[in-house]
Amino acid sequence: DAMVIQNPRYQVTQFGKPVTLSCSQTLNHNVMYWYQQKSSQAPKLLFHYYDKDFNNEADTPDNFQSRRPNTSFCFLDIRSPGLGDAAMYLCATSTRQISSDTQYFGPGTRLTVL
Amino acid sequence: SQQGEEDPQALSIQEGENATMNCSYKTSINNLQWYRQNSGRGLVHLILIRSNEREKHSGRLRVTLDTSKKSSSLLITASRAADTASYFCATVAIQGAQKLVFGQGTRLTINP
Repeated sequence: DAMVIQNPRYQVTQFGKPVTLSCSQTLNHNVMYWYQQKSSQAPKLLFHYYDKDFNNEADTPDNFQSRRPNTSFCFLDIRSPGLGDAAMYLCATSTRQISSDTQYFGPGTRLTVL
Repeated sequence: SQQGEEDPQALSIQEGENATMNCSYKTSINNLQWYRQNSGRGLVHLILIRSNEREKHSGRLRVTLDTSKKSSSLLITASRAADTASYFCATVAIQGAQKLVFGQGTRLTINP
């Protein structure tokens, strides 16, 4: 089945130790998004790619970076995780940049920072 | 801020009853979407309603949109225990950044 896959589902890292979360999709969608969701809060958009075009949200900390080497894969790099970065990270895809279409979400990666 | 507000924040009902969740937003929108999130999981798209539509149905779901009041409601009829989840509305503004902005969500619990 076509889907959005996130690995790992649970990630534990130490304060300040770089970590990479991965997302892959078999939907062949042009757009891939990364959201941060803290406990009992709404998902917050960090950035998105439209094909290879990277779009950063104005309030996304510099500590967060992303890479999209090809259509199928997108990575979220946290250069120096702090305790406040502990959250669920959600990857999503859609067919068009204009969000008139459905977004398809992966199951998320829960990040713990010790 | 465009961010929607949802009401109530938490709702607990008995199986078989209807559940109604409301969403209000601040700016003019292109469309409004409802998503469901089971605990510790990703979001699943339920329904999209465009700004020129007033009501939409999908199975046991009914969504209404009142653009004059900048509000939407999601009705789940004949609720089941499996409907227990958080429900989020999300809006796409007409002007500005074309991105999905989520409300805070309603935590729905269906008691067997």
